[in-house]
Amino acid sequence: NAGVTQTPKFQVLKTGQSMTLQCAQDMNHNSMYWYRQDPGMGLRLIYYSASEGTTDKGEVPNGYNVSRLNKREFSLRLESAAPSQTSVYFCASSEGVLNDQPQHFGDGTRLSIL
Amino acid sequence: AQKVTQAQTEISVVEKEDVTLDCVYETRDTTYYLFWYKQPPSGELVFLIRRNSFDEQNEISGRYSWNFQKSTSSFNFTITASQVVDSAVYFCALPYNNNDMRFGAGTRLTVKP
Repeated sequence: NAGVTQTPKFQVLKTGQSMTLQCAQDMNHNSMYWYRQDPGMGLRLIYYSASEGTTDKGEVPNGYNVSRLNKREFSLRLESAAPSQTSVYFCASSEGVLNDQPQHFGDGTRLSIL
Repeated sequence: AQKVTQAQTEISVVEKEDVTLDCVYETRDTTYYLFWYKQPPSGELVFLIRRNSFDEQNEISGRYSWNFQKSTSSFNFTITASQVVDSAVYFCALPYNNNDMRFGAGTRLTVKP
């Protein structure tokens, strides 16, 4: 009954370091998403993958890259971390497009950039 | 563009009180869905409800009810006889361009015993 699994749960980086956030879902969903959540701003979409082999930018893609490794896995990479990227990151998946499909979320990764 | 406004940043009530969380949205779409999600203190987001713009009937699920009014672009959420376990941040959300979900800023509800 795992649903969407994110690793790590917590991470502290220094400015300029790189890291990859991992996400995997076991619901055979086609679409996957990465969001960031900042205080007072709700969730904002960074990148999404509508299906295996495709990725597209969301509302706030700058400073990030993604890889849809296979249908199950969707990773988010910070190439050179900046303090402005301190946030809580959520991965989500949905069966299809979002017009009528709810999203299933992971537990989040709390990332601090010093 | 799609926009969701949750004007109430924080609400605090005493257990067993009723509470309504407001959601106002903007969209140019003629048909659309609206969603509510709950984020308890543990941090994960949990899907609560999805409504189609064609269906303006109120939805009731136990102590939860939702009032969708297209005329005022509102999709409000009421918890009846609130409980401590209802303490969470609640988000209203509206899909945008098939692959983006625009969330409101959220309302933090605290239910005191």
